[in-house]
Amino acid sequence: IAGITQAPTSQILAAGRRMTLRCTQDMRHNAMYWYRQDLGLGLRLIHYSNTAGTTGKGEVPDGYSVSRANTDDFPLTLASAVPSQTSVYFCASSATSGDTGELFFGEGSRLTVL
Amino acid sequence: GQNIDQPTEMTATEGAIVQINCTYQTSGFNGLFWYQQHAGEAPTFLSYNVLDGLEEKGRFSSFLSRSKGYSYLLLKELQMKDSASYLCASMDSNYQLIWGAGTKLIIKP
Repeated sequence: IAGITQAPTSQILAAGRRMTLRCTQDMRHNAMYWYRQDLGLGLRLIHYSNTAGTTGKGEVPDGYSVSRANTDDFPLTLASAVPSQTSVYFCASSATSGDTGELFFGEGSRLTVL
Repeated sequence: GQNIDQPTEMTATEGAIVQINCTYQTSGFNGLFWYQQHAGEAPTFLSYNVLDGLEEKGRFSSFLSRSKGYSYLLLKELQMKDSASYLCASMDSNYQLIWGAGTKLIIKP
């Protein structure tokens, strides 16, 4: 089934641990994004990539890093997790950056940092 | 600053009509999106407006007034499966989406 796959679906980890959230898409979309969603707040952009080999910072990038070695994969890494990073994380893609077309979202990764 | 406002929660009756409003202030404007998000699931695209007026798509319609910085999503013939959060997002001059916090719509029988 075409779309975006995220892993893990859910994770609990201790503060200070390193964690990588995986995201893979098979739609050959150029642009990919990582958002976090917190209760009472809109989706907030963490990092984005307009095309393979390039990345950019979004609204809330601190404490997170990304890489885009190829078109399909866009992992998000928390180098040293803190409780404020407890959230639901969504990976998304669109055909191109600067595109007024729709975003396609993964099912989300629920992360709890204790 | 950039800001999107929409009601936190609305309640409506099955079979009725409901209108969810959204006001936006963004640096530049490249369109207004509506997404639907069922609890525990990913957001899914509903509509995109960039010109003033009403866009109809089945039971769902979306309206935009650029001069007023205002949009609404109209849902007709409500069904129980329409219970979800509805997210409004404005695309700014850099083609970045600014998201509202979402409106949780509760449908009662």
